[in-house]
Amino acid sequence: EIVLTQSPGTLSLSPGERATLSCRASQSVSSSSLAWYHHKPGQAPRLLIHGASIRATGIPDRFSGSGSGTDFTLTITRLEPEDFAVYYCQQYGSSPPWTFGQGTKVEIK
Amino acid sequence: QVQLQESGPGLVKPSETLSLTCTVSGGSISTYYWSWMRQSPGKGLEWLGYIHYRGNTDYNPSLKSRLTISVDTSRDQFSLKLNSVTAADTAVYFCARHYGPPRGWYFDLWGRGTQVSVSS
Repeated sequence: EIVLTQSPGTLSLSPGERATLSCRASQSVSSSSLAWYHHKPGQAPRLLIHGASIRATGIPDRFSGSGSGTDFTLTITRLEPEDFAVYYCQQYGSSPPWTFGQGTKVEIK
Repeated sequence: QVQLQESGPGLVKPSETLSLTCTVSGGSISTYYWSWMRQSPGKGLEWLGYIHYRGNTDYNPSLKSRLTISVDTSRDQFSLKLNSVTAADTAVYFCARHYGPPRGWYFDLWGRGTQVSVSS
């Protein structure tokens, strides 16, 4: 089972600032099969990125994903109020069980 | 617009069976794969298992002996049954959709989740 470690645990930023979130895998994620999700409590999680760098339908271009192998990054160039949430990475390159990181909370400073 | 809605009891007694249903509205359950996830207090997300609309399944080995996922295509619903529950099964349970191969096993649509507590 691939273990995903996200850092930092919490990111305190102001609206308009840039956020950089990291997701590190315990072994190489095949075919860059990594996704990122945005989640606010009480709401449905929302797919942001799949294939490490492909924005999902309707996701604004301030969100970008990069990386391969064991190191992946989600970047939000200019934080909007609705972006303050918890972000999870998920790997789906290996056989099940697919796994998630423990999450990074982006909070308002 | 396709939406997913989880439903079921919010409280289950230890050693009993936890049963949840996910209803797909605004679209059909056919074509896709459907999964259950959960998030325990203070923990991250855990994938539990999936079912294809034709009925084939796969489960997380950590729960395989206790978990059954089924599908009812006539109602556009799929369900989860987890038996012999303990306090460790207290969590928010989510249902989600994915395409499967060749597009990939990421989850493109989720429900809001439903809280289930295990307590006597």
